[in-house]
Amino acid sequence: NAGVTQTPKFRVLKTGQSMTLLCAQDMNHEYMYWYRQDPGMGLRLIHYSVGEGTTAKGEVPDGYNVSRLKKQNFLLGLESAAPSQTSVYFCASWIPGQGETAFFGQGTRLTVV
Amino acid sequence: QQQVKQSPQSLIVQKGGIPIINCAYENTAFDYFPWYQQFPGKGPALLIAIRPDVSEKKEGRFTISFNKSAKQFSLHIMDSQPGDSATYFCAASGNSGAGSYQLTFGKGTKLSVIP
Repeated sequence: NAGVTQTPKFRVLKTGQSMTLLCAQDMNHEYMYWYRQDPGMGLRLIHYSVGEGTTAKGEVPDGYNVSRLKKQNFLLGLESAAPSQTSVYFCASWIPGQGETAFFGQGTRLTVV
Repeated sequence: QQQVKQSPQSLIVQKGGIPIINCAYENTAFDYFPWYQQFPGKGPALLIAIRPDVSEKKEGRFTISFNKSAKQFSLHIMDSQPGDSATYFCAASGNSGAGSYQLTFGKGTKLSVIP
């Protein structure tokens, strides 16, 4: 099925460990976003990319890094995980301004202990 | 600062009722206002969206009302069903500069429809 695929779906990390979350889309979308979702906080933008090779900070970028080496992939990295990064992470892709919607992946549930 | 304010946080209605969820925004550059529906364990999915050149848009049982001067928009769900029980997010987007579009979300409303 076409859409946005996130891997992994679940992960448990120890404090200080690192990991990379992968987002892949096959809709040729220029824009890709990483959000985190916490109870009562809605979806908060971590980083986003407006095209291959570009990235920009969102509302809550600290502790995360991203890369967009290929148009279809957007990677989110945690260099040294902290318990405050326990969350559900969602990736989305979009072509804004063209009447289409932003498509979301199924999410990655990350627990940092 | 919170650019999109959503209320209420939670809502319980009887089957057949008309839940209303409200959102307000501050940034006048916003020009696209979608509503997303999220079921537990799933990613958000687009429900309905509106642009500021219209005051109302209806798709099936879902209606968005938009008040540009008040910078407010709301979602109405007609003849609500237990299957509508989910979390609803309003969002807003516009050109934040240099052709860059962010999609900003409200904090969500958890709707429960009681049979």
